[in-house]
Amino acid sequence: GAVVSQHPSWVICKSGTSVKIECRSLDFQATTMFWYRQFPKQSLMLMATSNEGSKATYEQGVEKDKFLINHASLTLSTLTVTSAHPEDSSFYICSAGVGSNEQFFGPGTRLTVL
Amino acid sequence: SQQGEEDPQALSIQEGENATMNCSYKTSINNLQWYRQNSGRGLVHLILIRSNEREKHSGRLRVTLDTSKKSSSLLITASRAADTASYFCAPFTGGGNKLTFGTGTQLKVEL
Repeated sequence: GAVVSQHPSWVICKSGTSVKIECRSLDFQATTMFWYRQFPKQSLMLMATSNEGSKATYEQGVEKDKFLINHASLTLSTLTVTSAHPEDSSFYICSAGVGSNEQFFGPGTRLTVL
Repeated sequence: SQQGEEDPQALSIQEGENATMNCSYKTSINNLQWYRQNSGRGLVHLILIRSNEREKHSGRLRVTLDTSKKSSSLLITASRAADTASYFCAPFTGGGNKLTFGTGTQLKVEL
């Protein structure tokens, strides 16, 4: 099946620094990638939809200047949390869309901001 | 996109028993997908049922879809401890590939 990887798996950073999370589709090309955030014991909340070569579409309430998304190729999308603060600590999950139906999810990245 | 609502919120059963989870949604769909999430992990796609299908099987999983009631159910037969996870349904309305998730059903299978 299609495999999506994320790097890093977990990261701890100081408040005010920026953190970049990579999402890769390993054995297929994904025209669309999605970024989700999940707080403990809560559901996944879609943050943004990323299409290769174009600007990401952000969901309401998600600051595009804080969560920078780059989708430079059909196999790589990156999410950069700029000037991270403790409230940004969360589990970030990406997924890659194939065709018009199924999405394949990465294993997630746990971010802890001190 | 629309959000599915899973019911119950939490379920605890003994190994070997069957587990049934339900999902309700509000508008017409193209298909409905079920996902599993182990604690601290990403989501794993379990099964997709199209709007013109009423039932689908995959191993120990059985999914039903009633578009007239806008509901779906996921049945796990002969549950195992490894089935312990959160289960989410995701109604898909087509276009844009967006999926929206509810709070899920937390299933615990005890030995």
